[in-house]
Amino acid sequence: DQQVKQNSPSLSVQEGRISILNCDYTNSMFDYFLWYKKYPAEGPTFLISISSIKDKNEDGRFTVFLNKSAKHLSLHIVPSQPGDSAVYFCAASLLNRDDKIIFGKGTRLHILP
Amino acid sequence: DTGVSQNPRHKITKRGQNVTFRCDPISEHNRLYWYRQTLGQGPEFLTYFQNEAQLEKSRLLSDRFSAERPKGSFSTLEIQRTEQGDSAMYLCASSLFDGAKNIQYFGAGTRLSVL
Repeated sequence: DQQVKQNSPSLSVQEGRISILNCDYTNSMFDYFLWYKKYPAEGPTFLISISSIKDKNEDGRFTVFLNKSAKHLSLHIVPSQPGDSAVYFCAASLLNRDDKIIFGKGTRLHILP
Repeated sequence: DTGVSQNPRHKITKRGQNVTFRCDPISEHNRLYWYRQTLGQGPEFLTYFQNEAQLEKSRLLSDRFSAERPKGSFSTLEIQRTEQGDSAMYLCASSLFDGAKNIQYFGAGTRLSVL
């Protein structure tokens, strides 16, 4: 049973445009959400996170939006750059209850020149 | 910048052999996690430590798997009597838990191939 779902295995976006990666979750108890980026032969790198008490968090070109009623979050990257080509993992956890992070299967983002 | 370090990066072994992986976390971090990632999947939680205490183990961690974190510093993950299904990337992560967030920082992983 996949608690964190990334339904798009891949996404192609023109350089300079906005990339939007989507994620749905099923467990309404999740209260902390993260996005990780992964290049080949490297471990996942933390990108941005958001607590369930917020609906938006921004860090430079990266913004995460959380819609708790829809159990949906999204990552916006603007403008997209060639170095953004990677696999992006959406993840969720239960703060102060257990500490494991539940990951989605990932979305491969291709930034086209 | 000293991040999470994992050794070896690659391990090829024959079915039935034992293997051990090592993880050195970020020095000030009190929590250490092990995950496993297979092709086309996200990382899956295996176990975690707070200092030297192992606080949770996933049902994925069969009795052939054992993890230790002596003295609350580095950790080892041992797999006994390896099977082909154990072939995966084994990822270690660490965090400085403060109750307000749970950001885990990952190493580059150890890729295990069981022949």
